[in-house]
Amino acid sequence: NAGVMQNPRHLVRRRGQEARLRCSPMKGHSHVYWYRQLPEEGLKFMVYLQKENIIDESGMPKERFSAEFPKEGPSILRIQQVVRGDSAAYFCASSPVAAGDQPQHFGDGTRLSIL
Amino acid sequence: SQQGEEDPQALSIQEGENATMNCSYKTSINNLQWYRQNSGRGLVHLILIRSNEREKHSGRLRVTLDTSKKSSSLLITASRAADTASYFCATVPILTGGGNKLTFGTGTQLKVEL
Repeated sequence: NAGVMQNPRHLVRRRGQEARLRCSPMKGHSHVYWYRQLPEEGLKFMVYLQKENIIDESGMPKERFSAEFPKEGPSILRIQQVVRGDSAAYFCASSPVAAGDQPQHFGDGTRLSIL
Repeated sequence: SQQGEEDPQALSIQEGENATMNCSYKTSINNLQWYRQNSGRGLVHLILIRSNEREKHSGRLRVTLDTSKKSSSLLITASRAADTASYFCATVPILTGGGNKLTFGTGTQLKVEL
């Protein structure tokens, strides 16, 4: 009965490198959400995906950031050419359906540090 | 700007006391949810209250919702040291293009001392 699994838990990158964050939703969940949390702040929505489709990417920066949720395998959040300001905790959440009254199940996050 | 803001930002109480946290939001909502976050961990869902509900209980938790004031409160009764965590409210808007995208408040850091 595994929950939402995110890896790696910690990721260190130098400015200009690429960061790839992975998220495996709970079994039976086909809806995935990515959030970013800066220190001492709440989470901010980035992108919402269903299998093979991006439904809402209104919170994701237009440049350098991309997300996917392929038919097979985990959801990937990719950040290209990272900058210091990308340092944050990135959380993935999943839900079984799209209904607005369903709670989301969160992973423990990936803490990204940019040197 | 944040949709929700919690008040107070930080709260320190003794074990056994009650803890009350408040949340204000700005737009019309479908529901409001409360989550707990332990240090270095992900968020754990605590309770969900729909816009047509005024009060809800779950164990030692009591949540109220006042849609006219766009505010909610979370009460934790008989607090324990294990309740030490950050607590966030999150709203789901009435109008959504799909899914239940959450808009989080800034959080209340609760410390329960022995």
